[in-house]
Amino acid sequence: AQSVTQPDIHITVSEGASLELRCNYSYGATPYLFWYVQSPGQGLQLLLKYFSGDTLVQGIKGFEAEFKRSQSSFNLRKPSVHWSDAAEYFCAVGTRGNEKLTFGTGTRLTIIP
Amino acid sequence: GAVVSQHPSWVICKSGTSVKIECRSLDFQATTMFWYRQFPKQSLMLMATSNEGSKATYEQGVEKDKFLINHASLTLSTLTVTSAHPEDSSFYICSASTMSSYNEQFFGPGTRLTVL
Repeated sequence: AQSVTQPDIHITVSEGASLELRCNYSYGATPYLFWYVQSPGQGLQLLLKYFSGDTLVQGIKGFEAEFKRSQSSFNLRKPSVHWSDAAEYFCAVGTRGNEKLTFGTGTRLTIIP
Repeated sequence: GAVVSQHPSWVICKSGTSVKIECRSLDFQATTMFWYRQFPKQSLMLMATSNEGSKATYEQGVEKDKFLINHASLTLSTLTVTSAHPEDSSFYICSASTMSSYNEQFFGPGTRLTVL
């Protein structure tokens, strides 16, 4: 069965600093990978996704993520965070032929001035 | 595009009553809809998967008689929490996907249920 690990429960970053949120997955074949963001009391918004092809994917709000098969990772990055980026971030994995997604436990991002 | 709405956004009810939550795909036809439950500061827990015109598939440990799911059309799914109790209080989120979306799910804004 597939699984997703987000090792960091909570990360605090200064506004303007760079950000990297970690995501590791466990699955034998090529997974479909997603990063979602959730603001308090809201649903989830898709930041970016990887299905195949170029392993560096660009998303909305200046985010990018890189699929590294050798490390089973799909880390999310942003070169310079803004106060509005404070939210909960979820990594998710899907597989061909199975419509469900498996979510990580989430990483809460706090931005300090 | 790919907008999903939920109604109501929040609801307060008395213990023992039933509550219905609607999930609609506004600008696309959703072949599959999902219902999640989220506890404070936790991840999403999949409750069930529903396909239009078929019975929902519930995850292990989810009471199908308590959480009734109906997927009557390609744009509407409903979750009814029957005989609600305070422990059912939670944030319920629906999502929808299409056959061509490569597992991508489009999420609704969620419904906060509080049972008194």
